[in-house]
Amino acid sequence: GQQLNQSPQSMFIQEGEDVSMNCTSSSIFNTWLWYKQDPGEGPVLLIALYKAGELTSNGRLTAQFGITRKDSFLNISASIPSDVGIYFCAGQADTGNQFYFGTGTSLTVIP
Amino acid sequence: DTEVTQTPKHLVMGMTNKKSLKCEQHMGHRAMYWYKQKAKKPPELMFVYSYEKLSINESVPSRFSPECPNSSLLNLHLHALQPEDSALYLCASSQVIRADFQPQHFGDGTRLSIL
Repeated sequence: GQQLNQSPQSMFIQEGEDVSMNCTSSSIFNTWLWYKQDPGEGPVLLIALYKAGELTSNGRLTAQFGITRKDSFLNISASIPSDVGIYFCAGQADTGNQFYFGTGTSLTVIP
Repeated sequence: DTEVTQTPKHLVMGMTNKKSLKCEQHMGHRAMYWYKQKAKKPPELMFVYSYEKLSINESVPSRFSPECPNSSLLNLHLHALQPEDSALYLCASSQVIRADFQPQHFGDGTRLSIL
């Protein structure tokens, strides 16, 4: 299957700091998704991106569809303790096909 | 609260038992999915049903048997599982627009432990 690499693997930040993470693929994707997963729960969809260069916000979260179509970025501004969790990217290569998940970025916010 | 409901939340079973995991959604989605997730790892796709027909089987062992009785329900029948099958099993659903799978919405999973 497709391999999506996320970096960093984990982050420890102070409350109030901004966060940046990214997701890269060896293949071109047509759709990028960002999910957050809290312990003991399923992933929750945060943002969906459908066009190269697209920049989409959801509150303090902003995600971008990379211009090469092989990467995507997620930024969180002014982090708060409830931002703690694992963030997964997911990409869809061709229409109708399954979504492939990235390796995940674990975020810890220190109050 | 998630709109995809999975039962049970936790399941402990022996290697000779037969059990079933259940998933229900009422969002009118016509694609439903089973994923397996190990701790701190991404979800791994197992099966996809589109319009109640199995469309993707990711070479899953036959001890896992999916069933889609109608557009709202998805089951995963388990038999003779191995300890390495212990994991979080996630169900998801999505719209299908002109044969394209749309972003998936997940349930909170069933935590399965095999003794």
